[in-house]
Amino acid sequence: DAKTTQPPSMDCAEGRAANLPCNHSTISGNEYVYWYRQIHSQGPQYIIHGLKNNETNEMASLIITEDRKSSTLILPHATLRDTAVYYCIVRGPPTQGGSEKLVFGKGTKLTVNP
Amino acid sequence: NAGVTQTPKFRVLKTGQSMTLLCAQDMNHEYMYWYRQDPGMGLRLIHYSVGEGTTAKGEVPDGYNVSRLKKQNFLLGLESAAPSQTSVYFCASSAWRPGEKLFFGSGTQLSVL
Repeated sequence: DAKTTQPPSMDCAEGRAANLPCNHSTISGNEYVYWYRQIHSQGPQYIIHGLKNNETNEMASLIITEDRKSSTLILPHATLRDTAVYYCIVRGPPTQGGSEKLVFGKGTKLTVNP
Repeated sequence: NAGVTQTPKFRVLKTGQSMTLLCAQDMNHEYMYWYRQDPGMGLRLIHYSVGEGTTAKGEVPDGYNVSRLKKQNFLLGLESAAPSQTSVYFCASSAWRPGEKLFFGSGTQLSVL
């Protein structure tokens, strides 16, 4: 089973910020939070990841709560091309029974409306 | 740098036929994964490998076999295809270091009639 829970769908107006939440209440201290997205039936595309601190790159920002039990992916200015399914997963280091068995949940279908 | 390459991109099989899907990566990654995705559904893990010569079962392994004889290749086999195996298959790979990201192939559309 996936170690994360996400809302099944969200809507956002074009040009506005899209905030996608993810709960990972059983996350371990050495597990990273990753976000991917999938447009149509293409292969999933990496967006961003983080461990404890908030992260930002050219695509998005990742806000991780202090207790690390949840996170939010922020697309600052959503465009129509951001319409996709967004997946949040957790992944630990490869040793000590880390999360080699990478399980994706059903993700959040984000629809950006004109 | 090709990344992760899946072969073939499309295939149509008749029930009972066999086939092998090839995933090749040129990034010297230790970890490789096979997922399937049915229409409107998320990704489901079939099998994975943490290194050459090793494989392990994922969420939905039944009806599939895998092999990792070379580090760069991960093969997914269907010995006797069934219509329920009609799906899009994605391969992914990753280095083993903490914080490394997963690289995905472009997928194989398989139809079993």
